[in-house]
Amino acid sequence: AQKVTQAQTEISVVEKEDVTLDCVYETRDTTYYLFWYKQPPSGELVFLIRRNSFDEQNEISGRYSWNFQKSTSSFNFTITASQVVDSAVYFCALSDVDSNYQLIWGAGTKLIIKP
Amino acid sequence: DAGITQSPRHKVTETGTPVTLRCHQTENHRYMYWYRQDPGHGLRLIHYSYGVKDTDKGEVSDGYSVSRSKTEDFLLTLESATSSQTSVYFCAISDARPKVFGNTIYFGEGSWLTVV
Repeated sequence: AQKVTQAQTEISVVEKEDVTLDCVYETRDTTYYLFWYKQPPSGELVFLIRRNSFDEQNEISGRYSWNFQKSTSSFNFTITASQVVDSAVYFCALSDVDSNYQLIWGAGTKLIIKP
Repeated sequence: DAGITQSPRHKVTETGTPVTLRCHQTENHRYMYWYRQDPGHGLRLIHYSYGVKDTDKGEVSDGYSVSRSKTEDFLLTLESATSSQTSVYFCAISDARPKVFGNTIYFGEGSWLTVV
């Protein structure tokens, strides 16, 4: 069965530090999609990125970068030079054929950036 | 930002009363969803719709019903609210081609429901 594991329940760093959020997934399908969402303290859920299983190229968007490694079934998220506004809960998710493309969610990692 | 509006955003209601949450989208997306989010349980799918009058159950559908009479509106009804239904409810939408876009879901801002 599909599974998404975010082993880090909470991470606390000082502003300007780099931080990596881990995501490990399990799926039997060869075609699948991986996602990251951000939930700031205000509560809304914000889509950050989607990656399909055939595209292992890493992605960079400003201070955000994502490292997709099929060999280790991981899709890690790094924030460079963190800022207080990055404080949020971050969710990793998976969709695949077996789940009928419904999202399988990780438990989330709470990221606290201290000034 | 995805054009999704949820109403009401906050509501306190009494046990046993009916409650309807409304989701309105302006994106003309075919798929619409209702999730609930609770501490320790994360996001759980209640019901979803893949078109007008086409709905299906998610993993926690007991005690909830939905209706979709128009593409843009998806209603979630708690027929007789219970304290266990105190939660944050999120409406979400996605494109009609999950095999192309992996079912990227865009969320509304959430509705905080308290049942006392």
